Amino acid sequence: DQQVKQNSPSLSVQEGRISILNCDYTNSMFDYFLWYKKYPAEGPTFLISISSIKDKNEDGRFTVFLNKSAKHLSLHIVPSQPGDSAVYFCAASPLIQGAQKLVFGQGTRLTINP
Amino acid sequence: EADIYQTPRYLVIGTGKKITLECSQTMGHDKMYWYQQDPGMELHLIHYSYGVNSTEKGDLSSESTVSRIRTEHFPLTLESARPSHTSQYLCASSAQTGGGSPLHFGNGTRLTVT
Repeated sequence: DQQVKQNSPSLSVQEGRISILNCDYTNSMFDYFLWYKKYPAEGPTFLISISSIKDKNEDGRFTVFLNKSAKHLSLHIVPSQPGDSAVYFCAASPLIQGAQKLVFGQGTRLTINP
Repeated sequence: EADIYQTPRYLVIGTGKKITLECSQTMGHDKMYWYQQDPGMELHLIHYSYGVNSTEKGDLSSESTVSRIRTEHFPLTLESARPSHTSQYLCASSAQTGGGSPLHFGNGTRLTVT
C-alpha cells in the first residue's frame, strides 16, 4: 500500500518555463510534507517543506502548494534552470512522530531542456 | 557542505562475505537513519537511532544490523551478503526527534553482491 505516490516518473520542461511536480498521499495522519532533490551518485538534499497549517510555502524559485482536502501537494519551480535537472522525491509524515515515520514517493525525474 | 560521509561509495562483493558500510556525521546530530533504495523506487527506512546505544528497526525488514557506540558513527553490517542485498544504502541524520527537522543525507553506498 503506497501511501505517497508520484504518478509521473519523468517530466521534461523547457528552460525558463514552469516545472510542476505532483504528489498524492492517502494517510490523513500526515501533516508535514517535504521535497528532496537528488542528483545522480549523490544523496537527496532537502529542498522545501510545508506543514498542514499552511497551504503554500515559498522559497525563491520554489513553491510548494498543499491541498489537504484532495490530499495533494505540488512543487512549482519557476523559472526552471538546467541545474534543476534531478530526481525529486516527495515525502510525508505525522509531524509529531518524527523522521522515522517519513514515507517517500518513488520520485519524478525532471529534465530541463535548453 | 557534506557533513555526513559514507564509505565506500561503491562496493562489489561476492555472496557470503561480511561487509560493513560506514557512516559518520560531524553535525552532532543525535538522530541517524539508514535507508535502502532500489532504482526508480522510493526510499525505505531499515534502521534508525535516537542516540548512543539506541537502535531500532525501520519499516522495511532487513537482514542487516547496526550499532551506535559513538554519536557521530552509525555503521551498518551484513554478516553474509546475498544478491538480494544489491541496492543503494543511504545514511541520514537529523537534529530533532520531531518531523520538523529535515534529514541530511550522505552520498550513499551502491552495493552489488555477485
